[in-house]
Amino acid sequence: QKEVEQNSGPLSVPEGAIASLNCTYSDRGSQSFFWYRQYSGKSPELIMFIYSNGDKEDGRFTAQLNKASQYVSLLIRDSQPSDSATYLCAGQYNNNDMRFGAGTRLTVKP
Amino acid sequence: DGGITQSPKYLFRKEGQNVTLSCEQNLNHDAMYWYRQDPGQGLRLIYYSQIVNDFQKGDIAEGYSVSREKKESFPLTVTSAQKNPTAFYLCASSIQGPWTEAFFGQGTRLTVV
Repeated sequence: QKEVEQNSGPLSVPEGAIASLNCTYSDRGSQSFFWYRQYSGKSPELIMFIYSNGDKEDGRFTAQLNKASQYVSLLIRDSQPSDSATYLCAGQYNNNDMRFGAGTRLTVKP
Repeated sequence: DGGITQSPKYLFRKEGQNVTLSCEQNLNHDAMYWYRQDPGQGLRLIYYSQIVNDFQKGDIAEGYSVSREKKESFPLTVTSAQKNPTAFYLCASSIQGPWTEAFFGQGTRLTVV
């Protein structure tokens, strides 16, 4: 079963804090993982992807992958009110099959 | 401009009717996807296609049908067998292979009246 699980939240952090979003997956066949941001009523947009164990940084965002624990996370540093959205974790398999988690709703309070 | 176009943006269906949602892409992507999103929930895979004339069922294919006669087009038909079709439908595409992000259309909001 290709399942991706996220804590649906909601998660609330003050402006300037670090927001930590977590995701686990059940199928070790997952090759790569993606974090998307979705504003209400809009389509998802890619933040970053990761496929190797360890950390990957892009500006204020850091993705972390631990294949042994089947765990993916996204850290958002210096959180801004504009970061308030739903964050979707997705796992991709060999045949382009891409499965999403339920999403975590993040609110950044000014 | 390259991208994915879904139409219509809003669609109303009477119970018992079939409706078709359009998805067209000019990104030259081989893979295309249909997802369903219910309020406050994530994306659930309905169907996906890796190549023309081939497609696979996702987790919630019952009550839906698709075709892939052209690389650019992947229409989704919501049939009368789908008992609860009211949802936000998202089409996406990507190039073949791993480590390839999916690009999304703007979505179609379907409501049964």
